[in-house]
Amino acid sequence: EIVLTQFPGTLSLSPGERATLSCRASQSVTSSYLAWYQQKPGQAPRLVIYDASSRATGIPDRFSGSGSGTDFTLTISRLEPEDFAVYYCQQCESSPFTFGPGTKVDIK
Amino acid sequence: EVQLVESGGGLVQPGGSLRLSCAASGFTFSNYEMNWVRRAPGKGLEWVSYISSYSTTIYYADSVKGRFSISRDNADNSLYLQMNSLRAEDTAVYYCARLDYYRSGTYAMGLWGQGTLVTVSS
Repeated sequence: EIVLTQFPGTLSLSPGERATLSCRASQSVTSSYLAWYQQKPGQAPRLVIYDASSRATGIPDRFSGSGSGTDFTLTISRLEPEDFAVYYCQQCESSPFTFGPGTKVDIK
Repeated sequence: EVQLVESGGGLVQPGGSLRLSCAASGFTFSNYEMNWVRRAPGKGLEWVSYISSYSTTIYYADSVKGRFSISRDNADNSLYLQMNSLRAEDTAVYYCARLDYYRSGTYAMGLWGQGTLVTVSS
């Protein structure tokens, strides 16, 4: 089983600041199968990034993904009020399709 | 409208059973592989199960293997999760999620339902 670790657990930032979220895999993950999701309270998760670096439909270009192998990063260049949420990385390379524990981005 | 709508959640006693449904609309359901994902209170997302387009391949998380069963009815555009021998730790919001393929050959869960709450308690 591929275990995903995310850090930090919580990121406290102000609107306009840059957010850098990390996801580390216990073994190499083909970047094609690494995705990031956003979830707000009371809402379903929403796909943000697939293929490690491709933005999903409707996702603004302030969101970017990068990385390969075991280390992946989600960057939000300038936080907007609607970006404060929990973000999860996930691998779909092999079953079980594990999620990381999440990083909460909250307002400082 | 392209959407997934879950139903069937509720309160059930430990050891009991429940069947969740996910109704798909607005797209050709039989073309897509599907998943169930859950989020327990105060915890993160946990992938539960996967089923291929014509049910030939099925996977389960270890935490539910032997107790849960995923199935689908392509004629009825529906996905199901039969949950038996329920435990308190199965309490969660359960989401169905569509696996979307992209031109690069990769895939991810691109469409999610709003979820249905399952509470296991005496």
